[in-house]
Amino acid sequence: DAGVIQSPRHEVTEMGQEVTLRCKPISGHDYLFWYRQTMMRGLELLIYFNNNVPIDDSGMPEDRFSAKMPNASFSTLKIQPSEPRDSAVYFCASSNRDRENTEAFFGQGTRLTVV
Amino acid sequence: SQQGEEDPQALSIQEGENATMNCSYKTSINNLQWYRQNSGRGLVHLILIRSNEREKHSGRLRVTLDTSKKSSSLLITASRAADTASYFCATAPQGGKLIFGQGTELSVKP
Repeated sequence: DAGVIQSPRHEVTEMGQEVTLRCKPISGHDYLFWYRQTMMRGLELLIYFNNNVPIDDSGMPEDRFSAKMPNASFSTLKIQPSEPRDSAVYFCASSNRDRENTEAFFGQGTRLTVV
Repeated sequence: SQQGEEDPQALSIQEGENATMNCSYKTSINNLQWYRQNSGRGLVHLILIRSNEREKHSGRLRVTLDTSKKSSSLLITASRAADTASYFCATAPQGGKLIFGQGTELSVKP
């Protein structure tokens, strides 16, 4: 398996534009997580899914953020409209909880810069 | 709020020395995990310790867990320059959620 795949790796956009980040989890994994990492706030859990269903979105900062998982092999995180303070590295991770106590596998991240 | 808090925030040692990082958490857990992050990369899982375990080893890594104190430590023995990275603890307080601490930035000088 190629691991968790995120795209794009880098995104530079202007304030007010819509940004869509994409994630392909590891095949067979039933949990998917979206995290945001900044120097100031560290690694924040934004939302996570179980079997394509959003379980906890309490970490989503504002209504400008939305996430979907239309099927087991694809998820998106959308920011509309984007703001400079959204600049961060966004990570997607997946895990398989069919086996107890297993680890999360991370993608390489998307570095978002909003100017 | 963060579930796990690492200490120290930064640690600088010489190659060959041991590095110890600590993690404290707030709620009851099923397990505690340690991850490593190289600059500009995603996190990589290192080791997992269950709530009913007190110590676990993996190569040069040793993890301890004290559930009464809600704390864990990660020891890297005989450190190498290649161990330079940020290290994070992560806890699974409920359901499938996985919460990370702020991390310890380790620098190993050759």
